Amino acid sequence: KNEVEQSPQNLTAQEGEFITINCSYSVGISALHWLQQHPGGGIVSLFMLSSGKKKHGRLIATINIQEKHSSLHITASHPRDSAVYICAVRATGTASKLTFGTGTRLQVTL
Amino acid sequence: ETGVTQSPTHLIKTRGQQVTLRCSSQSGHNTVSWYQQALGQGPQFIFQYYREEENGRGNFPPRFSGLQFPNYSSELNVNALELDDSALYLCASSSARGNEQFFGPGTRLTVL
Repeated sequence: KNEVEQSPQNLTAQEGEFITINCSYSVGISALHWLQQHPGGGIVSLFMLSSGKKKHGRLIATINIQEKHSSLHITASHPRDSAVYICAVRATGTASKLTFGTGTRLQVTL
Repeated sequence: ETGVTQSPTHLIKTRGQQVTLRCSSQSGHNTVSWYQQALGQGPQFIFQYYREEENGRGNFPPRFSGLQFPNYSSELNVNALELDDSALYLCASSSARGNEQFFGPGTRLTVL
């Protein structure tokens, strides 16, 4: 079992839909990251959070430390949101290492 | 402020050869991490350098080695290349060891 599990693996949505991507992890963490990867490979950091909730534009990230679970929400989705969304955690006591999920491939259609 | 850059963008090598990949940190960042991402997988941590010293290493053999220079740029060296080394290699810099990481565009390595 991977330390970081994401669901769903693939997601297709129509423009305007509200999207939720889930991340569960099995270790104690000091931080959780949500990242976006476009075709071609470049990775953009969306959020780093250790508690509560963060919002940036149409993106919202939440984390429940007790349940070891985080969600990434996209409101009013748009085709330009199509990408792979990756959850990564930094385990407690490891300042350096990030452990990644395998990603959720999102396709938003017109 | 310049972002993280990597070179080359693409590289083709044959089994047994050696390769050096390069990463320039974002301005003001002293920490660089390297990751390997196989096709369809999430990135795997190779190692991290902080102020020119290795600061943590993932489950990769010694033929994967690195350097960090006084200007905090970094190199990843892979010796005796194997077919399974074909992957996207990402570097990420941060202003301190536990801070948010900013990723470069990656180097796609193909080993034939």
